[in-house]
Amino acid sequence: EVQLVESGGGLVQPGKSLRLSCAASGFTFADYAMHWVRQAPGKGLEWVSGIRWNGGSSGYGDSVKGRFTISRDNAKNSLFLEMNSLKVEDTGLYYCAKDGTRWGDYFYMDVWGKGTTVTVSS
Amino acid sequence: QSALTQPASVSGSPGQSITISCTGTSSDVGGYSYVSWYQQHPDKAPKLIIYDVSHRPSGVSNRFSGSKSGNAASLTISGLQAEDEADYYCISYTASFSLVFGTGTKVTVL
Repeated sequence: EVQLVESGGGLVQPGKSLRLSCAASGFTFADYAMHWVRQAPGKGLEWVSGIRWNGGSSGYGDSVKGRFTISRDNAKNSLFLEMNSLKVEDTGLYYCAKDGTRWGDYFYMDVWGKGTTVTVSS
Repeated sequence: QSALTQPASVSGSPGQSITISCTGTSSDVGGYSYVSWYQQHPDKAPKLIIYDVSHRPSGVSNRFSGSKSGNAASLTISGLQAEDEADYYCISYTASFSLVFGTGTKVTVL
């Protein structure tokens, strides 16, 4: 069974940093692009970042560009999101998601984790 | 990159068909065949229902169909059922090597 389990969320002050992790199992992690998607309380979905299957390219949403960094460790079946200079508006549920295309770029998400909650507040 | 535009709400009676629009620009929806749709029930993770404009993942009901014309994509739900009541989101690849979601549509089954 394909499974994605996020961790690393919590309460953090504005301006601080946090690192999210996503542990993948049940599929060949190294073959697929991966995504981070977030959802603020009571709001819609926002694409945060994506990374190619081999880590060769990545992309970011405008609101996090320059502050967040996505990375992956294919040997450990893990995806990461380094979040710096956090703002109150970064508060939300952060989902890790698998792309549906093998050996491709980040185009769509076919499997989602349950999410980890990030709260940015003083 | 601005969010794609979706109607805030759409409603229909059981058995009817409804269509949700997703309007973007030539730099996203109009420029690529990488539009996908997601269904999200309250307090649940989103579920993929359409990818690459009109392809349905295995296990997704054939009552869901997708299409695109110019800068707008559409999701049609035919034979509306009570379980279809949920929020729906479109997303598209963009010329900035990123993805952008739509504003989301709440579907109500009357």
